[in-house]
Amino acid sequence: DQQVKQNSPSLSVQEGRISILNCDYTNSMFDYFLWYKKYPAEGPTFLISISSIKDKNEDGRFTVFLNKSAKHLSLHIVPSQPGDSAVYFCAASVGGGSNYKLTFGKGTLLTVNP
Amino acid sequence: GAVVSQHPSRVICKSGTSVKIECRSLDFQATTMFWYRQFPKKSLMLMATSNEGSKATYEQGVEKDKFLINHASLTLSTLTVTSAHPEDSSFYICSARGQGFGYTFGSGTRLTVV
Repeated sequence: DQQVKQNSPSLSVQEGRISILNCDYTNSMFDYFLWYKKYPAEGPTFLISISSIKDKNEDGRFTVFLNKSAKHLSLHIVPSQPGDSAVYFCAASVGGGSNYKLTFGKGTLLTVNP
Repeated sequence: GAVVSQHPSRVICKSGTSVKIECRSLDFQATTMFWYRQFPKKSLMLMATSNEGSKATYEQGVEKDKFLINHASLTLSTLTVTSAHPEDSSFYICSARGQGFGYTFGSGTRLTVV
């Protein structure tokens, strides 16, 4: 049972345009969401997170939107740059204690074309 | 920022041998470490969670006698794949959490069993 779903395995956008990566979840207990970026043969690197008490969080070119009623979140990258080309993972967790576990989606491969 | 070092980055071993993967937090104390496995085009699957000085908690379906995890200090956790078989070939990633530090991932280990 996939609790975190990234239904688009890949996305291609033009440099300078907006990239929108989507993520859906089924577990209503999730209250903390994160986005990670991963290059081949490397570990994921943290990008941005959002708590369920907020519906938007912005950090530079990256903005995450959370729609709790729809159990949907999205990552917006604007403007997109070729260096943003990577696999993006959405992750979710319940609570924030030291042992909280992350549940990951399958990832979306973003390609930003020059 | 927090840094987690994972070694080796890649290893090839013969079927039936054991392989040890190390995960070190370089500039913080990792009270909790997580071990993940990633198959091609799949999400990161949590294998086990370990707290310093105590036994690891394994996820359902993960053989604890095959994947030995040791978290003997606040800066080091090891994963030993015992009696490796070709189906154990995968990308293994550790992550660490500590007081005031969120999830930080290692760079991953590509294990190939021949």
